[in-house]
Amino acid sequence: AQKITQTQPGMFVQEKEAVTLDCTYDTSDPSYGLFWYKQPSSGEMIFLIYQGSYDQQNATEGRYSLNFQKARKSANLVISASQLGDSAMYFCAISSLNDYKLSFGAGTTVTVRA
Amino acid sequence: DAGVTQSPTHLIKTRGQQVTLRCSPKSGHDTVSWYQQALGQGPQFIFQYYEEEERQRGNFPDRFSGHQFPNYSSELNVNALLLGDSALYLCASSLEGGRNTDTQYFGPGTRLTVL
Repeated sequence: AQKITQTQPGMFVQEKEAVTLDCTYDTSDPSYGLFWYKQPSSGEMIFLIYQGSYDQQNATEGRYSLNFQKARKSANLVISASQLGDSAMYFCAISSLNDYKLSFGAGTTVTVRA
Repeated sequence: DAGVTQSPTHLIKTRGQQVTLRCSPKSGHDTVSWYQQALGQGPQFIFQYYEEEERQRGNFPDRFSGHQFPNYSSELNVNALLLGDSALYLCASSLEGGRNTDTQYFGPGTRLTVL
């Protein structure tokens, strides 16, 4: 079984500042993938960034970067230069070689202040 | 490039009724997964279809069933609706069987309300 833990239910960040969203995971599979999704109030789940368990470098996609610490089983998302449009719920998820589904955490709500 | 589409957007049903939700995958994708998201929670996996077969199922009762068509589109059927079935139903598509390296792309969801 796989499990994702997101301990921050809500965060406030000032526009143009960076914010780090925490994610820890638990899996017995040696090969797995970690994903971050953004869900605005409209409901659609938007893919942001992916990190494979065997990737040597931390993933980056524009203003999103993933701080992957395999030994600690953490995969924190960093959003740089926050914008008002970044206000949303953010979910961390995991899937593995032997498990097709995505297992999601409870999510973190981010509110960007002007 | 068309993304994942779902219909209808919203649906209101009463207890005991049956409902069918539809999903068309992203162009080029062959795998469809369905998730249920209750208010304030993360999505929960219902099942995944690949090559028109249910390949994996989450902890949902048999009232939840599905189908995948030859064009890779999919339906989710829920029978004997309960109040607790009220949720956002998300469809996701992926390529080549949805293994851990295959990103799942989500549709806008269908919001189901059971009265």
